[in-house]
Amino acid sequence: AQKITQTQPGMFVQEKEAVTLDCTYDTSDPSYGLFWYKQPSSGEMIFLIYQGSYDQQNATEGRYSLNFQKARKSANLVISASQLGDSAMYFCAMREALDRGGKLIFGQGTELSVKP
Amino acid sequence: DTGVSQDPRHKITKRGQNVTFRCDPISEHNRLYWYRQTLGQGPEFLTYFQNEAQLEKSRLLSDRFSAERPKGSFSTLEIQRTEQGDSAMYLCASSALRTYEQYFGPGTRLTVT
Repeated sequence: AQKITQTQPGMFVQEKEAVTLDCTYDTSDPSYGLFWYKQPSSGEMIFLIYQGSYDQQNATEGRYSLNFQKARKSANLVISASQLGDSAMYFCAMREALDRGGKLIFGQGTELSVKP
Repeated sequence: DTGVSQDPRHKITKRGQNVTFRCDPISEHNRLYWYRQTLGQGPEFLTYFQNEAQLEKSRLLSDRFSAERPKGSFSTLEIQRTEQGDSAMYLCASSALRTYEQYFGPGTRLTVT
């Protein structure tokens, strides 16, 4: 069965420092995608970054980068230069192969608090 | 098009009542997904449509739940005889057929008293 595990229920980081949020996944499907979403207290799911299982290079989007280690089945999110507005819940998700529906399977989430 | 919209944003209902939520996806997005998120948990998949066809339903979707997507445009999710355990955020997402990203709506927060 496919599974996403986020082992950090909560994390604290000082403003302007970098932080790594952990994510491990389990799947036997060779084709999948990995996402990170941010969910502020308003509840909306904001897409941050995506990594395809066949992508050779780690994905980057501005201050966000995804540390993809396929052999270890990990997809950690690195946020550089943290800002107060980064305080939110962060979810790692795995997408099924598109030809099997492409639904997302989410982890439990990590609550990030950025301290001034 | 400004994105996925959901209506209502909040719904308070008494146990035993029926409720219906609506999701309007991004225009021309073939796929539409419903997820449910309870407090402190990640979203869980409920069902998805490709155009008007409902192609997969989760075991979470009991007989009291029904979803439709007439004409492959907007979708509705109905819960009959609501229970307190149905209290959750109901999220809708849409995607184009061959792209990876799912765009989420703002969600409908249901409270069953």
